[in-house]
Amino acid sequence: NAGVTQTPKFQVLKTGQSMTLQCAQDMNHEYMSWYRQDPGMGLRLIHYSVGAGITDQGEVPNGYNVSRSTTEDFPLRLLSAAPSQTSVYFCASSFGTGDNQPQHFGDGTRLSIL
Amino acid sequence: GENVEQHPSTLSVQEGDSAVIKCTYSDSASNYFPWYKQELGKGPQLIIDIRSNVGEKKDQRIAVTLNKTAKHFSLHITETQPEDSAVYFCAARAMDSNYQLIWGAGTKLIIKP
Repeated sequence: NAGVTQTPKFQVLKTGQSMTLQCAQDMNHEYMSWYRQDPGMGLRLIHYSVGAGITDQGEVPNGYNVSRSTTEDFPLRLLSAAPSQTSVYFCASSFGTGDNQPQHFGDGTRLSIL
Repeated sequence: GENVEQHPSTLSVQEGDSAVIKCTYSDSASNYFPWYKQELGKGPQLIIDIRSNVGEKKDQRIAVTLNKTAKHFSLHITETQPEDSAVYFCAARAMDSNYQLIWGAGTKLIIKP
């Protein structure tokens, strides 16, 4: 059981480039989300999805797009990379947002924007 | 909206001693408070959680306490071991943000041999 798989693990981009961070889960979870983790700031929610075809913005959505065409996949797109987007990105999934539905995290993508 | 503050940012304790990490939250309507542990190079993993109708919960060497009046909750680790070294995050579920988790900034726990 793979859980939540994120690719790539590391990426270096130049300012202005675009790219897609991949996230896939094999637990049939309805809820998926993307966070960024910066030193001293914890985890900040970028976008989330409560099911296929449904997405919504989190706390810091600017500069990022998401789509949810299947239950399994939830890619995060950087439209035009900026140095401020240098961060570690985590994808998480859960059955829902209830008390007994913990979020399962991938191991992260470490992204550097030059 | 909800805001969660976590202290200390770094905590160093001797192996075998206890460690306590504290969090405060701002929204009195928040009702669910999980704690996650993040090991180096990995994503966070849930270790314990507590609901607002409970004051304390234990799981072996780990316990969480909640004071709803003061709006703070704490993680207690007893008899610390080297494998407890990690970053610990608290979170609160925000009732006014579609039930999303709002996270503390994290505490790096160092267990000295």
